[in-house]
Amino acid sequence: QVQLQESGPGLVKPSETLSLTCAVSGYSISSGYYWGWIRQPPGKGLEWIGSIYHSGSTYYNPSLKSRVTISVDTSKNQFSLKLSSVTAADTAVYYCAAKDLKAPIDYWGQGTLVTVSS
Amino acid sequence: SYVLTQPPSVSVAPGQTARITCGGNNIGSKSVHWYQQKPGQAPVLVVYDDSDRPSGIPERFSGSNSGNTATLTISRVEAGDEADYYCQVWDSSSDFWVFGGGTKLTVL
Repeated sequence: QVQLQESGPGLVKPSETLSLTCAVSGYSISSGYYWGWIRQPPGKGLEWIGSIYHSGSTYYNPSLKSRVTISVDTSKNQFSLKLSSVTAADTAVYYCAAKDLKAPIDYWGQGTLVTVSS
Repeated sequence: SYVLTQPPSVSVAPGQTARITCGGNNIGSKSVHWYQQKPGQAPVLVVYDDSDRPSGIPERFSGSNSGNTATLTISRVEAGDEADYYCQVWDSSSDFWVFGGGTKLTVL
């Protein structure tokens, strides 16, 4: 059973870079799956941020592409999100998730709230 | 990029049938997945590949997909079904994960 756990600062200052990590257990990240990040601003819907295939290919939401980097660390069996130049609009619960190619999102982390504020 | 459109809200009395739609260009050619999200919780898959149910999901949850509309149907609605529901597809042309805007189901 794949388990995902997000970690990172809960408070980030405007204009700085938001950095989150998702630790994967129960499965080797290099074996397959697409690994992604999804966020949900307070009271709003789900927004896909981007995803990375186990081979390293990345896919980003066009609306965030200029600010997003997703990477994989196979040695630690984890993947990471960096979102630069954050503003209050980036305040959200951030989820890490995993899915196979055409499959639904099978696995979700519990989510972590990141607040952008000075 | 591909867009999915859901009604913001649907209201239904207990015991009745709720239908939540998800519109998209030729969505019938894609596999649609539906998630239920309750306050403070991560989404939970309730229907996948248009009409299949994960284990543990009641038979009251069903789905269909044709033309430009996919539909999640919840029969014999219970108070515990009150939640936000999101449709989702994988856009094969871009490899993007696409979500609908979500529908709040209110049980009257």
